Amino acid sequence: ETGVTQSPTHLIKTRGQQVTLRCSSQSGHNTVSWYQQALGQGPQFIFQYYREEENGRGNFPPRFSGLQFPNYSSELNVNALELDDSALYLCASSLPPKGSGYTFGSGTRLTVV
Amino acid sequence: DQQVKQNSPSLSVQEGRISILNCDYTNSMFDYFLWYKKYPAEGPTFLISISSIKDKNEDGRFTVFLNKSAKHLSLHIVPSQPGDSAVYFCAASALRNNNDMRFGAGTRLTVKP
Repeated sequence: ETGVTQSPTHLIKTRGQQVTLRCSSQSGHNTVSWYQQALGQGPQFIFQYYREEENGRGNFPPRFSGLQFPNYSSELNVNALELDDSALYLCASSLPPKGSGYTFGSGTRLTVV
Repeated sequence: DQQVKQNSPSLSVQEGRISILNCDYTNSMFDYFLWYKKYPAEGPTFLISISSIKDKNEDGRFTVFLNKSAKHLSLHIVPSQPGDSAVYFCAASALRNNNDMRFGAGTRLTVKP
């Protein structure tokens, strides 16, 4: 049983650019949640996808968007990158969408310069 | 808005002694609480949870206590082991809307041999 894998592990982008982060959910999990963890803070909920539909969203602007594919993998897209978007982006999968069943990936470290 | 607070950024204890990590929350709608452990370069891993109908949940060396009137929970690790050294995150959600799990900022536990 494979866990959650995220790619890339590290990324450097320039302010104003767009970025796509990818997440492969754990086998059998149909729910993917994305979190942003800024330095020294806890993870903050961005949004969740359940069976390819958005199933809740945190306090993030529309330039943060996502997709979930039929195989339950997911993408997080961020447009018009800002310096404050620099953070660790965590993906978590679960079945069904319950907190105790979350399996987190190791994250993608995004640096915006 | 910081609905889940971990006021101690770090804690150091001696091997074999008890570690007590604390967490406070402000949202009375939260009814499900979790602790996650995070090692460097890894995603958070689920440790233990408790629902609001209980005031204690135990799993081996780990016990979580919930005081609903004080909106406070704590994680006790007895006995502490050097391998327990990690960042511990407290998280909370409302089961009615459990796709939005709120995390505290974390407490870094160091267990000294």
